[in-house]
Amino acid sequence: AQSVAQPEDQVNVAEGNPLTVKCTYSVSGNPYLFWYVQYPNRGLQFLLKYITGDNLVKGSYGFEAEFNKSQTSFHLKKPSALVSDSALYFCAVRGSGGSYIPTFGRGTSLIVHP
Amino acid sequence: GAVVSQHPSRVICKSGTSVKIECRSLDFQATTMFWYRQFPKQSLMLMATSNEGSKATYEQGVEKDKFLINHASLTLSTLTVTSAHPEDSSFYICSARDPTGVDYEQYFGPGTRLTVT
Repeated sequence: AQSVAQPEDQVNVAEGNPLTVKCTYSVSGNPYLFWYVQYPNRGLQFLLKYITGDNLVKGSYGFEAEFNKSQTSFHLKKPSALVSDSALYFCAVRGSGGSYIPTFGRGTSLIVHP
Repeated sequence: GAVVSQHPSRVICKSGTSVKIECRSLDFQATTMFWYRQFPKQSLMLMATSNEGSKATYEQGVEKDKFLINHASLTLSTLTVTSAHPEDSSFYICSARDPTGVDYEQYFGPGTRLTVT
């Protein structure tokens, strides 16, 4: 079985400061990892993914995520937060084999204060 | 990237009536589509996997007769909520898998807000 944990329901950060949204996972085989962002009353927008290769993945809107195999983590980061980054962020994982259906974390609400 | 649309974006219906939600892949053929339900401040709950030309696969606990899914073409899947009740009020999101994509990526629709009065 595969699972995702986003330990923080909410992350608060001041505009201009770096932000981190945490994600840990459990999956059989090599992980395919994804981050999505959701704005109010909207669907999910893809931010970035890790399939293979460099552990540091760069995505949309200046976000990046670091894959850490030993810690089974895939934390989302941004060097300088914007108020417009305030949204709900979901981490997702699926295994490289078997079911291609990803499992989503519960989501983390990011609030960036002016 | 690929685009998935949903219609309507928002619907209000009376208790006991049925409502249909459409999900379309606009620029690719989706052999597989997924229907999710999202409660306020909660994660996505996968309801069913819809495969073109065959019956949908429902997740445990999802009523097949209440949430009818039809995937009649490679670009359209529909979710019909039958005999709707206020507890069916929720945000419904569909996604479509691009089979030609390198990593079987899923593309999400904008969601449909259903309110049952």
